[in-house]
Amino acid sequence: QQQVKQSPQSLIVQKGGISIINCAYENTAFDYFPWYQQFPGKGPALLIAIRPDVSEKKEGRFTISFNKSAKQFSLHIMDSQPGDSATYFCAATLNEKLTFGTGTRLTIIP
Amino acid sequence: NAGVMQNPRHLVRRRGQEARLRCSPMKGHSHVYWYRQLPEEGLKFMVYLQKENIIDESGMPKERFSAEFPKEGPSILRIQQVVRGDSAAYFCASSQDRNTEAFFGQGTRLTVV
Repeated sequence: QQQVKQSPQSLIVQKGGISIINCAYENTAFDYFPWYQQFPGKGPALLIAIRPDVSEKKEGRFTISFNKSAKQFSLHIMDSQPGDSATYFCAATLNEKLTFGTGTRLTIIP
Repeated sequence: NAGVMQNPRHLVRRRGQEARLRCSPMKGHSHVYWYRQLPEEGLKFMVYLQKENIIDESGMPKERFSAEFPKEGPSILRIQQVVRGDSAAYFCASSQDRNTEAFFGQGTRLTVV
């Protein structure tokens, strides 16, 4: 059972554009929604996170939008740069346990 | 302050051998989590441990897999009688307390030949 669904699987965005990755969850008991960035051969690194009582959180070029009624949340990367090329995972937490989406491979082209 | 340290980074085992994966949490962290990542997939939760206690092992296969986090020393994920399907990247994460950020190590890539 896929509790956190992520799309798209891969994404190509031009430098300076906006990258948007979407996730949907099923379990309304999830209480924390982080996004992780992973480079090849490395472990996931926390990028930004949100709690379900907030509809939006912005940190620099990264914004999470959260829609509790639709059980959806998304990551927006503004002014995307080649250094943002990586795999991005959404996740949801319950009882300290992270449930990950399947990942989005983002490529930023010049 | 060193991050989460995992070793070895790469491990090759023949079918039927044992694999031992080690994880040293960040200094001051007493919560450890193990996740498995298959190629082109997200990470899947395996087990959550605190010092000397297994808190949640709902993601651990019922046979051949075990984990421990002793009072002294690193956390160990042990896979007995490995099979080809065990080939994956195994990540460890640690956190200071419940409901605080978990930091991931760089993973151990296990290849079963």
